[in-house]
Amino acid sequence: SQTIHQWPATLVQPVGSPLSLECTVEGTSNPNLYWYRQAAGRGLQLLFYSVGIGQISSEVPQNLSASRPQDRQFILSSKKLLLSDSGFYLCAWSALGGLPGAFFGQGTRLTVV
Amino acid sequence: AQSVTQLDSQVPVFEEAPVELRCNYSSSVSVYLFWYVQYPNQGLQLLLKYLSGSTLVKGINGFEAEFNKSQTSFHLRKPSVHISDTAEYFCAVSDPKTSYDKVIFGPGTSLSVIP
Repeated sequence: SQTIHQWPATLVQPVGSPLSLECTVEGTSNPNLYWYRQAAGRGLQLLFYSVGIGQISSEVPQNLSASRPQDRQFILSSKKLLLSDSGFYLCAWSALGGLPGAFFGQGTRLTVV
Repeated sequence: AQSVTQLDSQVPVFEEAPVELRCNYSSSVSVYLFWYVQYPNQGLQLLLKYLSGSTLVKGINGFEAEFNKSQTSFHLRKPSVHISDTAEYFCAVSDPKTSYDKVIFGPGTSLSVIP
């Protein structure tokens, strides 16, 4: 069966420090991959999606970037964190050409101090 | 662009009472519709989805939702809630014509079940 791993679960980082969140999917190949952010008391906002290795699309301009170095690996990064980057980050995958509906990781709680 | 409205940000309900969480979406063209549940500090879990066919969709944990095309609604219902149903519920929509699941989420409804 397919599983999605996201780490770390929690992270406290100072303003101006770099960020790297990693997400991997097992049990499937060529998935669509997504990064969402959930700010406190708000809904989910799609940040990036990827339909293949090296193919990244950004939904909103921001201080973050994403990369997909391998088929089942999706990385969210920042060179210098801002206070406004705090939030709950969720990685998700869906099957290319399969039944729609995304499957989510357990999330990373990022607090920028 | 598609958008999703969840009219109730918070819904308190007594245990064993019925509940309905409302969801409306913006477009009348064909869509896929979803309900997700999020327990505190966890990821989202798919409750149910409507792709086509019967307008009444049954999901996990005793939830069901009804697709109403004329009213562009997809309300979630449960006849009798439990304490364990306390969570955040998200309605979502995606476009069948896109090559990826660009799922647009509503703002969420916080369901609190009162003992």
